[in-house]
Amino acid sequence: AQTVTQSQPEMSVQEAETVTLSCTYDTSENNYYLFWYKQPPSRQMILVIRQEAYKQQNATENRFSVNFQKAAKSFSLKISDSQLGDTAMYFCAFMNLQGAQKLVFGQGTRLTINP
Amino acid sequence: DADVTQTPRNRITKTGKRIMLECSQTKGHDRMYWYRQDPGLGLRLIYYSFDVKDINKGEISDGYSVSRQAQAKFSLSLESAIPNQTALYFCATRGAGKNQPQHFGDGTRLSIL
Repeated sequence: AQTVTQSQPEMSVQEAETVTLSCTYDTSENNYYLFWYKQPPSRQMILVIRQEAYKQQNATENRFSVNFQKAAKSFSLKISDSQLGDTAMYFCAFMNLQGAQKLVFGQGTRLTINP
Repeated sequence: DADVTQTPRNRITKTGKRIMLECSQTKGHDRMYWYRQDPGLGLRLIYYSFDVKDINKGEISDGYSVSRQAQAKFSLSLESAIPNQTALYFCATRGAGKNQPQHFGDGTRLSIL
């Protein structure tokens, strides 16, 4: 069974700073996807970024980028030039491309951006 | 209009009552999922469906049932609600392509007294 671990329950940074959220996972599969979802106080689950395990190049979406280390089973999220609207819970998630294709979530990191 | 719609948005009910949470989607996706979110635990899978009348248990299906009578609709039922089923419930859909992410509804906050 796959597991996802986010070791930082809470983080806080000043506006415009760069912040990195950590995520590690455990799997015996080779073909899978990794995701970061954002959950603001409005409680929506918003897709931030995704990474296919077979792609060596790290995914980037505007101010959001990942550092994907497949051998180490690590998938961290970097937010550059952080904004007040980035305040949210962030969930790392794993999806196996076989079977249920379900998402397995980490426990989440509560990120606060201070003015 | 939202692509994935959950009703109701919030619900308070009493122990022992039967509850149905509805999910409908306009994305045309075959795959639909129900998750439960508890504080500090992230989201966990209750049931999933890959097609009409296809039903599969997730990791925490006890106490729940689902129905998929149409491609666009996937309902979750609590036959006899108990307080530890108090949680935030999410429906999600996914297209068939391997690079497709899951798309979530806005969630139903359920409180059982």
